[in-house]
Amino acid sequence: SYELTQPPSMSVSPGQTARITCSGDALPKEYAYWYQQKAGQAPVVVIYKDSERPSGIPERFSGSSSGTTVTLTISGVQAEDEADYYCQSVDISGHSWVFGGGTKLTVL
Amino acid sequence: EVQLVESGGGLVQPGGSLRLSCATSGFIFSSHWMSWVRQAPGKGLEWVANIKQDGSEKYYGDSVTGRFIVSRDNAKKSVYLQMNSLRADDTAVYYCARDVGSSGIDHWGLGALVTVSS
Repeated sequence: SYELTQPPSMSVSPGQTARITCSGDALPKEYAYWYQQKAGQAPVVVIYKDSERPSGIPERFSGSSSGTTVTLTISGVQAEDEADYYCQSVDISGHSWVFGGGTKLTVL
Repeated sequence: EVQLVESGGGLVQPGGSLRLSCATSGFIFSSHWMSWVRQAPGKGLEWVANIKQDGSEKYYGDSVTGRFIVSRDNAKKSVYLQMNSLRADDTAVYYCARDVGSSGIDHWGLGALVTVSS
């Protein structure tokens, strides 16, 4: 079955840039989405369709795509950005969704 | 404001059934695909199912195919998840979600906890 691969964890200091990658064979053809989930809360979309930022999401969140890898970049990380981040996309059939395993971002 | 409110969660014995409901407001329900996503305790997100605007297309994750059924009632602005032959590994928080086209999510509910245990 189709898989999306993310690093399980990442640590950054406040003010630094965090780049979280997500790899999958169908990513050149299918959009990727990024969700932020803070402890005990429901997920929130921070990037949709590879690089679009929803209203209300800070400008420090951005998304990009290159080949089979998509990247969520958080510029000038703040303490409130500490959370689990999940990428999500669709397999080559266009119907079966898949989530990456999640990346736990720790702000030191 | 878009709102998604799940209900129907609870404790059920292995082999039993449960029906989750998701009541929506704040948007044109009949214009959107809708999805269910679950999260087992301490684990990551897992896609469960989604359904097209008119209910004519439904897709399921491998682990629930043949046991779960997604449906919707556009007049009631609600989506449902009928869960049959429940197993311990179905224990999770189940989230209702509004789709962007049919490829991702732009709004999530708060979730409903389903516990499968004897």
